[in-house]
Amino acid sequence: AQSVTQLDSHVSVSEGTPVLLRCNYSSSYSPSLFWYVQHPNKGLQLLLKYTSAATLVKGINGFEAEFKKSETSFHLTKPSAHMSDAAEYFCVVTPLGGGGNKLTFGTGTQLKVEL
Amino acid sequence: GAVVSQHPSWVICKSGTSVKIECRSLDFQATTMFWYRQFPKQSLMLMATSNEGSKATYEQGVEKDKFLINHASLTLSTLTVTSAHPEDSSFYICSARGQRLLNEQFFGPGTRLTVL
Repeated sequence: AQSVTQLDSHVSVSEGTPVLLRCNYSSSYSPSLFWYVQHPNKGLQLLLKYTSAATLVKGINGFEAEFKKSETSFHLTKPSAHMSDAAEYFCVVTPLGGGGNKLTFGTGTQLKVEL
Repeated sequence: GAVVSQHPSWVICKSGTSVKIECRSLDFQATTMFWYRQFPKQSLMLMATSNEGSKATYEQGVEKDKFLINHASLTLSTLTVTSAHPEDSSFYICSARGQRLLNEQFFGPGTRLTVL
C-alpha cells in the first residue's frame, strides 16, 4: 500500500522569496516519487522525479526536491518564486520503477505568488 | 517528444446524451493509457487503465458500463461517458505510457465536461 500526504493545501509567498511545498509519503516498498505542476484548466507537467539515484533531485524551472528516507519526505523547494510559479502542485508516489503504473496522488498544494 | 493530446478540450452536453473523449499519443506508441477524473480543487483519481487491444481495468467504484474505454490502437484511446448526468461534470485527464519509457506517464491537457 502507498499514500501521499501534502501537508499544506495552500501556500502563499512573495515573489523572489523561497518556496517550500511539503510532502510525506507512506509505502510498503521502495518508492518512486514525483512532483507535477498543474496550471488552471491544464494537464499535468512533470517537474522532477526520484527513482533511487541521487537523493537531491533537480527539476525544471529551478525546482528541486530531496528524498529523505528517514523522514519519509520529499519536499519541493525553489530558492526564488516567480509569478509564473502560481499553480497547483501534486506529489505522487508509485513503487520504484513503476512510474508507468498506478500513481497515487496527494491532494495538492495551491501555490500563490504575490508581488 | 512524448506528447499526448486530448479532444475536445471542453464539451457541454445535455443530460442523457453520450460524450466521447479522445486521447492520442502524438509521437510515441502508447501500450498503456490511463484515465483520470478530477473534481474542482481536488486531486486526480484514477478511473481505469487500458492496454492496447485489451479490455480496460476499472478502479473500484467506477462503473464500466457508464464509462466505456476503448484502446484500439497504440496511439488512441477513447473514453465515452454514456447517458451523462450533471454529476458526471468534471475534468477528465488521460495519460499514456510508451514501450521505451516504461517508468513515466505523459499527461494530456485534459477535457472539461459540463453536463446540463
